Amino acid sequence: SDELTQPPSVSVSPGQTARITCSGDTLPKKYAYWYQQKSGQAPVLVIYEDSKRPSGIPERFSGSSSGTMATLTISGAQVEDEADYYCYSTDSSGNHRMFGGGTKLTVL
Amino acid sequence: QVQLQESGPGLVKPSETLSLTCTVSGGSISHFYWSWIRQPPGRGLEWIGYIHYSGSTNYNPSLKSRFTISVDTSKNQFSLKLSSVTAADTAVYYCAKDFRVAGSSDNWFDPWGQGILVTVSS
Repeated sequence: SDELTQPPSVSVSPGQTARITCSGDTLPKKYAYWYQQKSGQAPVLVIYEDSKRPSGIPERFSGSSSGTMATLTISGAQVEDEADYYCYSTDSSGNHRMFGGGTKLTVL
Repeated sequence: QVQLQESGPGLVKPSETLSLTCTVSGGSISHFYWSWIRQPPGRGLEWIGYIHYSGSTNYNPSLKSRFTISVDTSKNQFSLKLSSVTAADTAVYYCAKDFRVAGSSDNWFDPWGQGILVTVSS
């Protein structure tokens, strides 16, 4: 079935590299997108089309995709990067949208 | 820069119809797609459906067909109705621009409204 799977949580110390994965059978053919959601706030796009960074997003955020797995990398994670991160893509038909279950990133 | 703002009641009784409106400012609603997404408390994001400014719609097949999305281009607004609500429909409801590249079936949501918490309770 078309779905995206993320680890529930990732924890790193400040300055370390955080990697959040997203696996799904449609990812070889569909782009992955990544959203950051801080507590009580709306999601914010941090990566689009697998690896592109919107303006205003720090360079420490990067994305990659290979086969059935997409990865969000935060190089030199900072305390302010603590948030829930959701991957997103479309299903194989391209008509329906699906989010991963979300990953809680702890930086401490 | 386009901004979106959800509006509607924060409390709805079970079995009633939930009605929300998203007002788009800083740009025209025309020529684009627009989506609704919800997030139950403490849980993940769930796409509900989208509407094109022309009125064509598409809904999440995983959800029961209780949702209706409509658009009013004269007011630069689009709306969501959910009938026969239950406690399971309690969530923060977000509206978002459904951004697409011409000729591509891929899309992303950007920007989002701030969200509105709707609680279903008697």
